[in-house]
Amino acid sequence: SQTIHQWPATLVQPVGSPLSLECTVEGTSNPNLYWYRQAAGRGLQLLFYSVGIGQISSEVPQNLSASRPQDRQFILSSKKLLLSDSGFYLCAWSVGPGGNQPQHFGDGTRLSIL
Amino acid sequence: GIQVEQSPPDLILQEGANSTLRCNFSDSVNNLQWFHQNPWGQLINLFYIPSGTKQNGRLSATTVATERYSLLYISSSQTTDSGVYFCAVSGGTSYGKLTFGQGTILTVHP
Repeated sequence: SQTIHQWPATLVQPVGSPLSLECTVEGTSNPNLYWYRQAAGRGLQLLFYSVGIGQISSEVPQNLSASRPQDRQFILSSKKLLLSDSGFYLCAWSVGPGGNQPQHFGDGTRLSIL
Repeated sequence: GIQVEQSPPDLILQEGANSTLRCNFSDSVNNLQWFHQNPWGQLINLFYIPSGTKQNGRLSATTVATERYSLLYISSSQTTDSGVYFCAVSGGTSYGKLTFGQGTILTVHP
């Protein structure tokens, strides 16, 4: 069966520090991958999605970037964190290609910026 | 893009009561999912239901795609049903990029 792993579960970082959050999927090939952010406990916003290795689309201009170095690995990064980057970050996958399949979410990373 | 509106925003129930949550969306969809977010933040898949009716235990869902709404029914609610319920949709050639509603916060009292 397919599983999705995100780490770390929680992270506290100072303003201006770099960030790297990792997401991996097991048990499937060529999945669509997604990064979402949830602020203030209500409503998720799509940040990035990827339909293949090296293919990244950004939905919202921001201080973050994403990369997909391997088929089942999706990384969210920042060179310098801002206070506004605080939030709950969730990775998701769905069967590719196309978008008519359900998405499955990881357990998320709670990021606090001090 | 697609707009998603959920109602009610908050719901308080006594254990054993039934409830109906509604999701309205502004355009045709090829993906509609209902999620339950538990107090630890985990998003639990409840239903993948772009159209039709499905049931899973005490929960059931109906999507009327032609009228652009979906309903989530919770029967005989339990305290463990508490949390936030999200509806999320995608449409067209959006590669499954989900647009989430703002959620319904459900609190079930014993």
